[in-house]
Amino acid sequence: DQQVKQNSPSLSVQEGRISILNCDYTNSMFDYFLWYKKYPAEGPTFLISISSIKDKNEDGRFTVFLNKSAKHLSLHIVPSQPGDSAVYFCVAQFYFGTGTSLTVIP
Amino acid sequence: GAGVSQTPSNKVTEKGKYVELRCDPISGHTALYWYRQSLGQGPEFLIYFQGTGAADDSGLPNDRFFAVRPEGSVSTLKIQRTERGDSAVYLCASSLTGRGTWGEQYFGPGTRLTVT
Repeated sequence: DQQVKQNSPSLSVQEGRISILNCDYTNSMFDYFLWYKKYPAEGPTFLISISSIKDKNEDGRFTVFLNKSAKHLSLHIVPSQPGDSAVYFCVAQFYFGTGTSLTVIP
Repeated sequence: GAGVSQTPSNKVTEKGKYVELRCDPISGHTALYWYRQSLGQGPEFLIYFQGTGAADDSGLPNDRFFAVRPEGSVSTLKIQRTERGDSAVYLCASSLTGRGTWGEQYFGPGTRLTVT
């Protein structure tokens, strides 16, 4: 059973606009969450993380929001750039979601 | 600086054969993880090592899968009597610390295994 769910397999956004990637998890005991980015033929690379004691973590253009009561987190990228086009995985502990393929249109 | 490396990058084998996949983690990283990624899915956790010992092997799908890390550095994932369903990209990752702090993991490029 999928413990981490990313219900949008793909997302297209215009360059300069905001990208919002969503993630839901099932286990309320999860206390640490990460986002990874993956380009074709490469392994995932770490992007940003958040622990359950926070509800927001920001790093440059990337912000992750955590809503513990809803068991939901989201990744905001603003402004989006063509180089952001990749597959984004939401991770809780070592459980990966199925990924969202982001395409940023120049 | 050297990242995580995995060999071979591609492996084609016949059903029923034995395969070994190798992972060289980043020097000094105590934790090592193996994942399997099938088409259209996210990486699926297989096993986690802290040093030489398998701290959590709950993700190994059955007893055909085995992994070792005898000196706390290089790890080998071993698959016996391969089946077509084992075809996937096998990813290895390492991190400075292991479970508990959930430090960021550094992934290798993966080994694409195809069982014919």
